[in-house]
Amino acid sequence: DAKTTQPPSMDCAEGRAANLPCNHSTISGNEYVYWYRQIHSQGPQYIIHGLKNNETNEMASLIITEDRKSSTLILPHATLRDTAVYYCIVRVFSGNTPLVFGKGTRLSVIA
Amino acid sequence: DAGVIQSPRHEVTEMGQEVTLRCKPISGHNSLFWYRQTMMRGLELLIYFNNNVPIDDSGMPEDRFSAKMPNASFSTLKIQPSEPRDSAVYFCASNLSFGRGTGELFFGEGSRLTVL
Repeated sequence: DAKTTQPPSMDCAEGRAANLPCNHSTISGNEYVYWYRQIHSQGPQYIIHGLKNNETNEMASLIITEDRKSSTLILPHATLRDTAVYYCIVRVFSGNTPLVFGKGTRLSVIA
Repeated sequence: DAGVIQSPRHEVTEMGQEVTLRCKPISGHNSLFWYRQTMMRGLELLIYFNNNVPIDDSGMPEDRFSAKMPNASFSTLKIQPSEPRDSAVYFCASNLSFGRGTGELFFGEGSRLTVL
């Protein structure tokens, strides 16, 4: 079973920041927070991951609370192409550990 | 890099027929994962391999499903006999299970199966 809780859907205006929350109150000390997204039935795509520090890459920023019980994925300037289902997953940092997907958040970016 | 390659992209078959889905992982990756996605159940892990050895097949729904990985560059998922409830998109993913990588899984584009 997924160990995360996400809102089922969110809307965001094009050009604005999209802030996607995730609760993972039972996260273990050796588990990372991963974010993936799935655009219209394509294969899921990795976005970013982190342990306890905030992380940023060319796609997004990840903010993890100090107690690590929740996090927020930030898409700084959402475009229509960011419309997708976003999955927050907790997982140990071991390469052959599978991802367990929950229902994710369906983000709709509106023009 | 060509990415994870799956075939066929679409398959329509009749109930009772054998279905074989194929996956070529990214060269050099040593872990391979098979997932199934339906509207009702979302993305479910079926089975995964590490160094060609099945590690966990507890997600395989029943004996009609089988998966093999005869070498590091090829895996199959077989359904025999197929049933309408097997209709879904089947995804294959691979990654490198050691080293300083992100632990990122790379997914193929999926095989959409329709069983009539």
